[in-house]
Amino acid sequence: GAGVSQSPRYKVTKRGQDVALRCDPISGHVSLYWYRQALGQGPEFLTYFNYEAQQDKSGLPNDRFSAERPEGSISTLTIQRTEQRDSAMYRCASSGQGAYGTEAFFGQGTRLTVV
Amino acid sequence: DAKTTQPPSMDCAEGRAANLPCNHSTISGNEYVYWYRQIHSQGPQYIIHGLKNNETNEMASLIITEDRKSSTLILPHATLRDTAVYYCIAPQTSGSRLTFGEGTQLTVNP
Repeated sequence: GAGVSQSPRYKVTKRGQDVALRCDPISGHVSLYWYRQALGQGPEFLTYFNYEAQQDKSGLPNDRFSAERPEGSISTLTIQRTEQRDSAMYRCASSGQGAYGTEAFFGQGTRLTVV
Repeated sequence: DAKTTQPPSMDCAEGRAANLPCNHSTISGNEYVYWYRQIHSQGPQYIIHGLKNNETNEMASLIITEDRKSSTLILPHATLRDTAVYYCIAPQTSGSRLTFGEGTQLTVNP
């Protein structure tokens, strides 16, 4: 596709349920990033991949959060046993490989609401 | 990532130049300076980046001081649509995490 695609755009789930958020990066982009953004705050880094390898997961808040990118393209962010504090906008971004200095393109995000 | 410091808010008159400063005194020699902006509820949008030299593209200009401890993003003729939060970021390496701070809320007034 032309840009980074995230699905679903909106997700309402009950506390305790598991959710899976999907990110389809720009074709050919090597790096893929997951961010979380609360209302009125800047994006908060969660994790990123180069190809299928998870390079940095230091931003994942706890072990209920996990992410994978098994074939180096589409990625899934999974939140198990959701809690109300997990409610936020979850954003995915991708960037190409190359010399230093590449821009990241962000998707429209998935708005998660845990009730 | 190098720590960056930006003013929390700025105002600019429509049609005038908007100059957004950023301090990054701990930046290392191979860390680029990136600027992104976020308009309301949209995803962050890349604006420009640079290493040592000043850079210009269709959106903005980036002026980096010779010692690389600070930079200024210049929107030459601000429009109402440029109202957004602007983030200055200095990631450790290309392809690594972008750490968004608080940014600067730029409000362009008619």
